[in-house]
Amino acid sequence: GEDVEQSLFLSVREGDSSVINCTYTDSSSTYLYWYKQEPGAGLQLLTYIFSNMDMKQDQRLTVLLNKKDKHLSLRIADTQTGDSAIYFCAETLMEYGNKLVFGAGTILRVKS
Amino acid sequence: DTEVTQTPKHLVMGMTNKKSLKCEQHMGHRAMYWYKQKAKKPPELMFVYSYEKLSINESVPSRFSPECPNSSLLNLHLHALQPEDSALYLCASSQEASLGNTIYFGEGSWLTVV
Repeated sequence: GEDVEQSLFLSVREGDSSVINCTYTDSSSTYLYWYKQEPGAGLQLLTYIFSNMDMKQDQRLTVLLNKKDKHLSLRIADTQTGDSAIYFCAETLMEYGNKLVFGAGTILRVKS
Repeated sequence: DTEVTQTPKHLVMGMTNKKSLKCEQHMGHRAMYWYKQKAKKPPELMFVYSYEKLSINESVPSRFSPECPNSSLLNLHLHALQPEDSALYLCASSQEASLGNTIYFGEGSWLTVV
């Protein structure tokens, strides 16, 4: 099935780490993505992971994948005020080519 | 360079108007997409073009008419829209339309139907 779920809101202090969580239901091999959307803007690709990987790190971003629980997380180290945005988790479905199915989005608010 | 350019940035149109949204990419991608995003919601797929041919139409009403004149351009023709069609329209592209090809989005066109 197509169902991606995310927590809706996260508030952190500047300099702390942020962890945004996502669960997905598709059981086939898939790619999972994190996109960032700032107010009034389009979607910026942050990172992605294939479902046969456990972890991927890219500068301040760390993606962890727990395949058994179908749980994906995005950790942002040293969170800055510029990280305030909506973060979308998305998966692509093998049986439907490259269609992105998005979660509802997590609003990240960074307090200075 | 991972840039998808959309014009116009903002569009206000009446319900009897005909207008078009335009999208351009110069990354040599052969798949292009239209997504629609309502306020406070995630984007939803509308159309997929692969090698300039329409491959997916997500049961979109015919008042939205996509066109892919060449591999770099994607248009969305709008006619007789309703106020509930007001949304952010996002264009995107990827190398191919198959699984595992990263999708890059433009900044979107904000459409208001009055």
